[in-house]
Amino acid sequence: SQQGEEDPQALSIQEGENATMNCSYKTSINNLQWYRQNSGRGLVHLILIRSNEREKHSGRLRVTLDTSKKSSSLLITASRAADTASYFCATDERNSGGSNYKLTFGKGTLLTVNP
Amino acid sequence: DTGVSQDPRHKITKRGQNVTFRCDPISEHNRLYWYRQTLGQGPEFLTYFQNEAQLEKSRLLSDRFSAERPKGSFSTLEIQRTEQGDSAMYLCASSLAWWNEQFFGPGTRLTVL
Repeated sequence: SQQGEEDPQALSIQEGENATMNCSYKTSINNLQWYRQNSGRGLVHLILIRSNEREKHSGRLRVTLDTSKKSSSLLITASRAADTASYFCATDERNSGGSNYKLTFGKGTLLTVNP
Repeated sequence: DTGVSQDPRHKITKRGQNVTFRCDPISEHNRLYWYRQTLGQGPEFLTYFQNEAQLEKSRLLSDRFSAERPKGSFSTLEIQRTEQGDSAMYLCASSLAWWNEQFFGPGTRLTVL
């Protein structure tokens, strides 16, 4: 089953604009991670935000987490053509023992940045 | 390159044949995970190891699938009697501990004819 659901499914913007992608999930989590995947390639880890954090920055990336709404957002500022990729959020569900062993992904947002 | 590596990158096989994939995790990482990704979907968890122990298997992992991590380092995923529905990208990831990031390899794309 897919816990994280990204929104929108597809996003097309011009170079230089900002891109915002959202992720919703269903259960309690320890962490939420964002990944990028270029067509037919492996996943590149972008950022991890823990359940007790509300915002995190890394370069042009800004991630927020609202555990009360079970949602997260990824903002890419000053987008570049090279940012064109699919973006996935992944949650690790907290089990009864407090630990976790797997990530659950959504279907991703396909971002196209036009030069 | 000190990232996760996978071999082969592409595999084309005929239905009914057996295939084996290899994953080499980041060297100090105790945890190793296998995921499968089909077109248009996010990765789905298959199984994971902590050191050499296989601690969890998804219901997606039928009895035709077997995974090993004999010395707690590299891992292999074998699919016996492949079916066309096994065609997918098989991704391996590793992490230092359960609360850390999972880093993924480039994947092995399997095509079953």
